[in-house]
Amino acid sequence: KQEVTQIPAALSVPEGENLVLNCSFTDSAIYNLQWFRQDPGKGLTSLLLIQSSQREQTSGRLNASLDKSSGRSTLYIAASQPGDSATYLCAVYTGTASKLTFGTGTRLQVTL
Amino acid sequence: EAGVAQSPRYKIIEKRQSVAFWCNPISGHATLYWYQQILGQGPKLLIQFQNNGVVDDSQLPKDRFSAERLKGVDSTLKIQPAKLEDSAVYLCASSLDHSPVETQYFGPGTRLLVL
Repeated sequence: KQEVTQIPAALSVPEGENLVLNCSFTDSAIYNLQWFRQDPGKGLTSLLLIQSSQREQTSGRLNASLDKSSGRSTLYIAASQPGDSATYLCAVYTGTASKLTFGTGTRLQVTL
Repeated sequence: EAGVAQSPRYKIIEKRQSVAFWCNPISGHATLYWYQQILGQGPKLLIQFQNNGVVDDSQLPKDRFSAERLKGVDSTLKIQPAKLEDSAVYLCASSLDHSPVETQYFGPGTRLLVL
């Protein structure tokens, strides 16, 4: 059974700092890995999707890496802004289960 | 392009009552998902439809939960009778099809509180 863990559970940083969020998964037989953002009272928004054959994806100030063999992914946020404050969820699509399995998320607060 | 719509946004009921949630996916999306997100946890898939057929309902508590997607468009999720542990946010998502390369688009969710 696929299990996804995210560390840390919560993080508070001052504006302008670069930060890294971590995600690990137990079953390396994945099709892809996605990072989502969830704002309070709202649904999830997909930020980046990394296929199993890829090593990283970039979108603006966000960069996600994938090391499938070790079961790890990181989300790097450069020059953080207060608008980045949200919960960030990692999810893997596992072939055997044919569905997304989510981590518990990292709650990020960027302070002025 | 309109996103995934859900209603109601909030619902408070007492245990043993019944409740229903509605979802309207993005036009043209064949696959529809219902997730349950308990506070402090990630979303957990309850049921997945491809058009009006069920693809996966392995984690749906079928003694109290039911879902349907008539005509392969809108969907309803029902809980009867509700328990305290059903308090959660119920998220609906849709995608073009159930291929793993397709992005899932999520609605705002329905927040359920069972007293």
